[in-house]
Amino acid sequence: QLQLQESGPRLVRPSETLSLTCAVSGGSISSGIYFWGWIRQPPGKGLEWVGSIYHLGSSYYNPSLKSRVAISMDMSKNLFSLKMNSVTAADTAVYYCARSISTGTIAWFDPWGPGTVVTVSS
Amino acid sequence: QSVLTQPPSASGTPGQRITMSCFGSSSNIGGNHVNWYQHLPGTAPKLLIHSDNQRPSGVPDRFSGSKSGTSTSLAISGLQPEDEADYYCASWDDSLNGVVFGGGTKLTVL
Repeated sequence: QLQLQESGPRLVRPSETLSLTCAVSGGSISSGIYFWGWIRQPPGKGLEWVGSIYHLGSSYYNPSLKSRVAISMDMSKNLFSLKMNSVTAADTAVYYCARSISTGTIAWFDPWGPGTVVTVSS
Repeated sequence: QSVLTQPPSASGTPGQRITMSCFGSSSNIGGNHVNWYQHLPGTAPKLLIHSDNQRPSGVPDRFSGSKSGTSTSLAISGLQPEDEADYYCASWDDSLNGVVFGGGTKLTVL
């Protein structure tokens, strides 16, 4: 059974870079027709897609975050990572990683990791 | 302001059938599949419906999805207390070239 687990610093200072990793077990991130992505939920708000990457190299990002976000894959460690620079308090959120099937576009997200809380504060 | 529009709240009593809607446009719901997620506080969101009306294995048949034009609906029959959660619709958006979510509907089981 595929499982995902987020990890990374829980506290990031404003203007610095948020870095998270998602470790995948029970399956390889380098096979199949899957995107690997990040979704976040700020406190009191709804879900927001951050971006997704395909193992053959293509990636998609939320246009509102694209200038600050990069997602990469480490096939040797079977994990993928999120980097978001120049963070502000508005980036405080629960960050989830998830797999989605490629159907020409990014389809449904399943499964999801349990999520990790990231707070941006000095 | 979310690209997909959902009513912020819905409610029902145990055993009742309720529906919740999600409105979009031709660039998202009108031209792409819709997926629904159930989100209980403190847990990971759970895929409830994919491809407009398909239930993943393990999701009770009390949950059903439908789509017409640029709007979609999630129906829950035989409402149970454990159905109290936030529900989100999501779809691919051809104009934004990305995934868009609705703002979520908070379901209260009275």
